[in-house]
Amino acid sequence: EDQVTQSPEALRLQEGESSSLNCSYTVSGLRGLFWYRQDPGKGPEFLFTLYSAGEEKEKERLKATLTKKESFLHITAPKPEDSATYLCAVQIYSGNTPLVFGKGTRLSVIA
Amino acid sequence: SQTIHQWPATLVQPVGSPLSLECTVEGTSNPNLYWYRQAAGRGLQLLFYSVGIGQISSEVPQNLSASRPQDRQFILSSKKLLLSDSGFYLCAWSPLGAYEQYFGPGTRLTVT
Repeated sequence: EDQVTQSPEALRLQEGESSSLNCSYTVSGLRGLFWYRQDPGKGPEFLFTLYSAGEEKEKERLKATLTKKESFLHITAPKPEDSATYLCAVQIYSGNTPLVFGKGTRLSVIA
Repeated sequence: SQTIHQWPATLVQPVGSPLSLECTVEGTSNPNLYWYRQAAGRGLQLLFYSVGIGQISSEVPQNLSASRPQDRQFILSSKKLLLSDSGFYLCAWSPLGAYEQYFGPGTRLTVT
């Protein structure tokens, strides 16, 4: 069964304290891996797509990386406005299948 | 640019009442469309997806149904709501030939 597991479930950081969120996956063939940010009471906001191992994408204080079994979302010098739930999702090879989402990591950045 | 709308934003309905949630997308053609439900601590649950008008795939058997009467319109319905239908309902779209999905603002449904 295709699975996406995110860790930790929750993370509390001091402002400026860099860290990483993990997304590990067991799928039959990866077509793409996606990161989203979700604020409370809102729909997820698309951040990045990664297609192959070794690929990296950056946006402001966020950098996403991909290996053959997992992806990391690195947050450098976070600010309180980075507080949100970060979701990871994968697209697998078999036909027009929808994304498989992880349960997310809830990030809190304290000033 | 593309925009996705959902309404209503919030809804409180009694058990046994009908439901109709609407989602529309602007600025694109032939999108794939999706309905998700998000319950606390359970992540995003895919309910239905559609690759074209009148084409609906159901991921989870339940008392909900979906329809796509127009290219950029997706409707989620129920004839009789259950308490377990409470949750945050999200509509999403993806461009033709792409896989990243873009989400709407969501509808918070409370069944009492």
